[in-house]
Amino acid sequence: EVQLVESGGGLVLPGGSLRLSCAASGFSYSSYTMNWVRQAPGRGLEWLSYISSGSSATYYADSVKGRFTISRDDAKNSLHLQMDSLRAEDTAVYYCARSHCSGGTCYVAFDIWGQGTSVTVSS
Amino acid sequence: DIQMTQSPSTLSASVGDRVTITCRASQSVSNWLAWYQQKPGKAPKFLIYKASSLESGVPSRFSGSGSGTEFTLTISSLQPDDFATYYCQQYNTYSWTFGQGTKVEIK
Repeated sequence: EVQLVESGGGLVLPGGSLRLSCAASGFSYSSYTMNWVRQAPGRGLEWLSYISSGSSATYYADSVKGRFTISRDDAKNSLHLQMDSLRAEDTAVYYCARSHCSGGTCYVAFDIWGQGTSVTVSS
Repeated sequence: DIQMTQSPSTLSASVGDRVTITCRASQSVSNWLAWYQQKPGKAPKFLIYKASSLESGVPSRFSGSGSGTEFTLTISSLQPDDFATYYCQQYNTYSWTFGQGTKVEIK
């Protein structure tokens, strides 16, 4: 079964750090580009970050650029998001999401999602 | 960034109704448009890609159309399982963006 499972969420103080992880299984993980998407309480979806296969390219939304770092470990089929300088507005459910690949090309649409991990930034 | 605007924000409908949701882009995204369904407390589900291609396993009552700046998601005969929030997303241009969502409620 194709699956993504996030972990690492929790309660953190403003200005603090948190590292999210996503464990992938059931597919050839190293061949896929991967992403993080978040959803603040009662709000819509926000793409946050992208990493290419082989980690050669990364992209970030302006809202997290300079504070968040995406990485992957293809040997362990895992994806990570290091979140620093956290703010109250970073409170959200964070999803890892697989890019949709077709005909050998991956596109930044999201065909497989994890169940999400909740991050609360509050004093 | 490309802004994606969905209408309506909320839609009340009955089982069996034909439902149409519109998504407009602030500039052309060609046909690089996806649709998702999300139920409360759950992750989004991938429905449609490239504006009109149905993801494997998605019921055929779902269809997508459009190109450029205007797109529609149609549910031909609404089923009880379809009451949810629907999002469009453009993937033509970084930074990849979602619409604000359309909630389909029971009338």
